[in-house]
Amino acid sequence: AQSVTQPDIHITVSEGASLELRCNYSYGATPYLFWYVQSPGQGLQLLLKYFSGDTLVQGIKGFEAEFKRSQSSFNLRKPSVHWSDAAEYFCAVGHGSGNTGKLIFGQGTTLQVKP
Amino acid sequence: DSGVTQTPKHLITATGQRVTLRCSPRSGDLSVYWYQQSLDQGLQFLIQYYNGEERAKGNILERFSAQQFPDLHSELNLSSLELGDSALYFCASSAGQGPQHFGDGTRLSIL
Repeated sequence: AQSVTQPDIHITVSEGASLELRCNYSYGATPYLFWYVQSPGQGLQLLLKYFSGDTLVQGIKGFEAEFKRSQSSFNLRKPSVHWSDAAEYFCAVGHGSGNTGKLIFGQGTTLQVKP
Repeated sequence: DSGVTQTPKHLITATGQRVTLRCSPRSGDLSVYWYQQSLDQGLQFLIQYYNGEERAKGNILERFSAQQFPDLHSELNLSSLELGDSALYFCASSAGQGPQHFGDGTRLSIL
């Protein structure tokens, strides 16, 4: 069955430090992969997506992610974290073909940023 | 602003009641998706509509139903509500196989 695992439930980093959030997926075919961010009381905002092509994907707010098929991973990175990055981050895999594009989400990683 | 509008933002009701959540997708998006976010289950896909037709179903209870209208807005109906239905309900929309854009959600509290 398709699944997404985010091994880290909670991560704390200092402002200005680099960040890597892990995501592993299980999917039978080439996946569509996404990272979303959710601030308290807000909806989910799309950070970046991978459909095909270049395995290093650039997103908004200075985030990037790398698709590694051999490791079934799609880790999110940012070279220097800002206090405003504190939020919950969700990795998701797109499921289905045609227009059946339901998303399967990981359990999320809560990012805390220390001043 | 994602362009997806959900109303109401908050809903408080009692067990056994029925509620309707409304979603207006981004302009031009034909697909609408409903998700439930709860502490114990995380984000779960409920149902998808494409241009008025049901396209995919997830872990949606029989007490729940949805529809998409000719103007493409969608409604999620929840009936015989139980305490466990308390959650944040998200609507998302997409153009074809493009990425899904989420609304701010409706927080449903069952007392």
